[in-house]
Amino acid sequence: DTAVSQTPKYLVTQMGNDKSIKCEQNLGHDTMYWYKQDSKKFLKIMFSYNNKELIINETVPNRFSPKSPDKAHLNLHINSLELGDSAVYFCASSQGTGFHEQYFGPGTRLTVT
Amino acid sequence: AQTVTQSQPEMSVQEAETVTLSCTYDTSESDYYLFWYKQPPSRQMILVIRQEAYKQQNATENRFSVNFQKAAKSFSLKISDSQLGDAAMYFCAYRSPNTGNQFYFGTGTSLTVIP
Repeated sequence: DTAVSQTPKYLVTQMGNDKSIKCEQNLGHDTMYWYKQDSKKFLKIMFSYNNKELIINETVPNRFSPKSPDKAHLNLHINSLELGDSAVYFCASSQGTGFHEQYFGPGTRLTVT
Repeated sequence: AQTVTQSQPEMSVQEAETVTLSCTYDTSESDYYLFWYKQPPSRQMILVIRQEAYKQQNATENRFSVNFQKAAKSFSLKISDSQLGDAAMYFCAYRSPNTGNQFYFGTGTSLTVIP
C-alpha cells in the first residue's frame, strides 16, 4: 500500500564511490521530485521530472543525475560522493498541476565517510 | 523563483494551548497553492492543510486552521488544543502552476509541545 517508496532507507559509503537511490510511486502521478534535506532540516529541491520535462536546480552538481526508466520510477544517481553529500534525500510525487499536494517517500539517510 | 519565509525557527506551546506558526511568501502570481507539511521525528513528511489562493475562506482541518492573507502574502498555521503528537518540524510550501509545478518550501519551524 506504500504510495512512495525509497530504497535503501540508510546508506553509508565512502568518499569517491558512486551510489544510487531508487524511488517508486504507485499513485499514477505524472511528476516526481528529489529533495535534499541537510542537517539544519532545510529542504532543497534538486529535480522535478515528468514524462515531458526535467527541471534541474542549477545549484545541484552534475555528479547528481536523475534517471527515470518509466513514469513510476525516478532514481537518483550520485557519482564521486563527497562528505557534503551527507544528508537525507526525499523522493516525492504529485499530480502534475493544480491543487495537489506532494506525497513523500520515507527518505534515505546518506552518510559519506 | 518564489521564496517562502518562516521567521520562527523554533516555537513551543503548552499542551492544550493554541500556537500560530507564521509563513510569508514572495510572488507576482495571482493563482497558486499553499500547503503546510509536518515532519515528526520519524522524518516522514505529512500534509497538514492546504489552501487555494483564489479562495478567500480559510482552510480548516480539525484542530488545524490557516489565516490566509493574500494581499499581505501571509499564510499562518494555527494549531488549537495542542497535543504531544503535534511536536514536529512544520514546513510551509508554495506551489506555482506556472513554473513547472515546482514546490517551494520554507526553512521550517520546530514545534515543541510542553506537557
